[in-house]
Amino acid sequence: QVQLVQSGAEVKKPGASVRVSCKASGYTFTSYNINWVRQATGQGLEWMGWMNPNSGNTGYAQRFQGRVTMTRDTSISTAYMDLNSLRSEDTAVYYCTTLDQGLWGQGTQVTVSS
Amino acid sequence: DIQMTQSPSSLSASVGDRVTITCRASQTINNYLNWYQQKAGRAPSLLISAASNLQSGVPARFSGSGSGTDFTLTISSLQPEDFATYYCQQDYTTPYSFGQGTELEMK
Repeated sequence: QVQLVQSGAEVKKPGASVRVSCKASGYTFTSYNINWVRQATGQGLEWMGWMNPNSGNTGYAQRFQGRVTMTRDTSISTAYMDLNSLRSEDTAVYYCTTLDQGLWGQGTQVTVSS
Repeated sequence: DIQMTQSPSSLSASVGDRVTITCRASQTINNYLNWYQQKAGRAPSLLISAASNLQSGVPARFSGSGSGTDFTLTISSLQPEDFATYYCQQDYTTPYSFGQGTELEMK
């Protein structure tokens, strides 16, 4: 079954960091870029950045530059998104997705609260 | 950065209606335009890629058209399961960007 499966919900304090993982199965992990998209409650979709799982090359939205890092471990077909210096505004559901290949993870709720 | 503007932001319609949602890009994106459907509590689902390519398993009542800066998503005859939020998204150039969404509600 072709799918992306993400790690579970996280609760973090302001200033902390979070890592969300995204495990691919059913296809060759290095075939498609992995993008990360987030969605705050009741809000729209916000693109955060992309990673090429083959090369490891990345590109980030300007507003996340310096705070986000996207990496991968090809041996276990898993992509990671690290976000640091968390603030309350980062509370959202985070998705990994191949975008126009149509694969989305189930989403990971990240809550930032003191 | 490319801005994507959808209209309307919300729409009330009835089962059987024909519905059109529009999406405008702030600069040309050729046909690098995807449409997604999202239901409450679920991840988005890709309906149409490259402006008009219907994804496998998506009902034929969905169609997409357009090129350049102006695009449309049409649902030819609304079904109960179609009430959801729809997003357009450009992948012509990074930062990739989404429209603000169109909430399709039952009248």
